[in-house]
Amino acid sequence: ETGVTQTPRHLVMGMTNKKSLKCEQHLGHNAMYWYKQSAKKPLELMFVYSLEERVENNSVPSRFSPECPNSSHLFLHLHTLQPEDSALYLCASSQVGQGDNEQFFGPGTRLTVL
Amino acid sequence: DAKTTQPPSMDCAEGRAANLPCNHSTISGNEYVYWYRQIHSQGPQYIIHGLKNNETNEMASLIITEDRKSSTLILPHATLRDTAVYYCIVSKFGGSQGNLIFGKGTKLSVKP
Repeated sequence: ETGVTQTPRHLVMGMTNKKSLKCEQHLGHNAMYWYKQSAKKPLELMFVYSLEERVENNSVPSRFSPECPNSSHLFLHLHTLQPEDSALYLCASSQVGQGDNEQFFGPGTRLTVL
Repeated sequence: DAKTTQPPSMDCAEGRAANLPCNHSTISGNEYVYWYRQIHSQGPQYIIHGLKNNETNEMASLIITEDRKSSTLILPHATLRDTAVYYCIVSKFGGSQGNLIFGKGTKLSVKP
């Protein structure tokens, strides 16, 4: 257990569906991250929220929409996805600005788009 | 792009030391070296980080060369559970965003 939980752990959706991924951290951190890991590719940073403000958006398609309602919760809203969006989506948190950049990762959500 | 270079794969016998190398020849003065690992289909796990001195914790040791252009992660007594992809990352310490850029890492296979 890393103190970062993600739900659901597995998700299968059609291209016309709308779904959301949820991440919660119990570590009192002030930054949260979404990463995408496609098969045989390095982790790709998608979004960064620091102090509940989005500080980075790495050219992610608009069919992915993040939301950070407070410092403990992070969502990734999905709509009109493509089969190539099938991947492991990882959430992480860290305490930035005051020390090291150790990030704590959740177990991930395995997404399959049909 | 990742600023580090690692061999794509390595094997290690169970009970022996695993030495994983990493080149980071363009590292800047305010960047630390971080090591993470990812066991199959799980989220990455932090192992250790350092600036210029060698570091040791309960998981591993980190040896950084004097010119800081390369480092080695040492798992002193590898077990089968250490089979994973190991990532070497350089990142600024205490930055406002804490971004980590992951490369392809080294796939370590620990064999009985």
